[in-house]
Amino acid sequence: DTAVSQTPKYLVTQMGNDKSIKCEQNLGHDTMYWYKQDSKKFLKIMFSYNNKELIINETVPNRFSPKSPDKAHLNLHINSLELGDSAVYFCASSQGSVWANVLTFGAGSRLTVL
Amino acid sequence: QQQVKQSPQSLIVQKGGISIINCAYENTAFDYFPWYQQFPGKGPALLIAIRPDVSEKKEGRFTISFNNSAKQFSLHIMDSQPGDSATYFCAARDNQGGKLIFGQGTELSVKP
Repeated sequence: DTAVSQTPKYLVTQMGNDKSIKCEQNLGHDTMYWYKQDSKKFLKIMFSYNNKELIINETVPNRFSPKSPDKAHLNLHINSLELGDSAVYFCASSQGSVWANVLTFGAGSRLTVL
Repeated sequence: QQQVKQSPQSLIVQKGGISIINCAYENTAFDYFPWYQQFPGKGPALLIAIRPDVSEKKEGRFTISFNNSAKQFSLHIMDSQPGDSATYFCAARDNQGGKLIFGQGTELSVKP
């Protein structure tokens, strides 16, 4: 009965590979997000979708491509992985638009690029 | 460009003591200020939040103090417990686009 679930929890891969992280929420929320947490624990928003429409697209390399097949799912695909992509990626969701007050985060997906 | 500055980076408090974490911002377009708590291996979770028209909000042992003119806000944890040991993030919502911008985080350790 996990509210926001991400898979995989851990991902170890080589530079240059392509990988995907999947996210699903069962809260009925309209808006979903991807945040990146670096090694110093700094949290930065990457993308946000509202009802499958891209709302926020921060200055993120175009190697990162989000996809939202429906409002309960938001996936993140990363091409040509680089060492600097190593981080914990958090999916989150909220009710209503990006103006919603409460974000519910998943447990994170730790990506390690070797 | 860091729009929300949080301090200290780490904090050690004895059980029963008061933990105080401070945040400062520059952008006057912020309209909502939440605090999130993150335990190791977990995602952040909303702890308490305040709007700029209120100077203080208390929920149990957690209190936010807000100073709009100084553009500062702080989290006070009274009677700190070892179970409070976690990383705390202040945040501010930008009313120009709705983005939530986080501070750098404070790692709190409460010693028994």
